[in-house]
Amino acid sequence: AQKVTQAQTEISVVEKEDVTLDCVYETRDTTYYLFWYKQPPSGELVFLIRRNSFDEQNEISGRYSWNFQKSTSSFNFTITASQVVDSAVYFCALSTYNTDKLIFGTGTRLQVFP
Amino acid sequence: DVKVTQSSRYLVKRTGEKVFLECVQDMDHENMFWYRQDPGLGLRLIYFSYDVKMKEKGDIPEGYSVSREKKERFSLILESASTNQTSMYLCASSLRIPGPQEKLFFGSGTQLSVL
Repeated sequence: AQKVTQAQTEISVVEKEDVTLDCVYETRDTTYYLFWYKQPPSGELVFLIRRNSFDEQNEISGRYSWNFQKSTSSFNFTITASQVVDSAVYFCALSTYNTDKLIFGTGTRLQVFP
Repeated sequence: DVKVTQSSRYLVKRTGEKVFLECVQDMDHENMFWYRQDPGLGLRLIYFSYDVKMKEKGDIPEGYSVSREKKERFSLILESASTNQTSMYLCASSLRIPGPQEKLFFGSGTQLSVL
């Protein structure tokens, strides 16, 4: 079975704090892709990153970084020095050739207070 | 930039009404999707389409139908709206024949309330 778990329903931080959003996935496929999407209050989900199962290199993009660990089936997302504009719901998602569609986690609502 | 436009941001309907949710994308994408988003449940796939006049059931198709007469337009239809269909509905599109690596482009969503 394919599954994505985001155990953190809601996280609140104060601006400039670092915050990590957890994502744990389940799949028996050896080839798969992991995604993070951001949903700001406007409602539109925005693509942040895609990682394939053969690339375990961590990635950094500005204040955002992603830690992919196949050994623990996790693909965690860290925001460094958070800002109010980071307030959103963040979704982790998984797709494989067998599922042929994106499987989303339940999302983590991040609130960053000034 | 890809634009996925959903016709209404907020919609209020009565139980038993027929409801049409419209979605248009402007980047010639082959694939289009309808999701519903509910608190604690994340996004669940209702229907998707890989081509004009083609449709496939997602995970929760009951109570819904879809129409894709033109490549750029994908409509979600609630034949007889019920209160348990109160939800946020999100339309999405992607470029190529389905593959796990494709990212989705989403509309802003329609918050439907069925009274």
